[in-house]
Amino acid sequence: GAVVSQHPSRVICKSGTSVKIECRSLDFQATTMFWYRQFPKKSLMLMATSNEGSKATYEQGVEKDKFLINHASLTLSTLTVTSAHPEDSSFYICSVLHGGSSDTQYFGPGTRLTVL
Amino acid sequence: KNEVEQSPQNLTAQEGEFITINCSYSVGISALHWLQQHPGGGIVSLFMLSSGKKKHGRLIATINIQEKHSSLHITASHPRDSAVYICAPSSGSARQLTFGSGTQLTVLP
Repeated sequence: GAVVSQHPSRVICKSGTSVKIECRSLDFQATTMFWYRQFPKKSLMLMATSNEGSKATYEQGVEKDKFLINHASLTLSTLTVTSAHPEDSSFYICSVLHGGSSDTQYFGPGTRLTVL
Repeated sequence: KNEVEQSPQNLTAQEGEFITINCSYSVGISALHWLQQHPGGGIVSLFMLSSGKKKHGRLIATINIQEKHSSLHITASHPRDSAVYICAPSSGSARQLTFGSGTQLTVLP
């Protein structure tokens, strides 16, 4: 399957700082990427749909000023958690939509964020 | 909103057993994904199907669109199959996924 990378894989930061997570599609260009978060022992929840060249579409209850998404190129989307707090500690995963006839999503390895 | 139910939530099997995980959803979809998540967190897409049946190695996925139901089968299960299996229907123009709560599978040697 296609390769999707995320960086960093783990990050620990102090409360109040901002953290940027990168999601890269290494095998194909993607106009659409998705950002998910997962709490321990829980399923994934869609946070937002990242569209290249336009504003991200956020799910209900997700603060767009808190979770800034930038999809500046066809291979890179970034999620910035601004002024992070301990309740933002979670596992963040991106996926890349391979459109055309397949509509398959390829997932990144995830980023574990711990806010102290 | 699509409500997705998976069963069972937890499943322990002996090596070699045939495994079935079920998924039901509430609204019409364009396709359904079966995902595998290992303890480290990484997710692998096992199947995407919109009708009928797909097979890959020891894994088989089926879907009945009319009944809004899909199953994932594992034949000759092995300890390395131990993982969380997640059902995720896809809908909407942007193909957003809605995730089931997952089935924790443990295969004992």
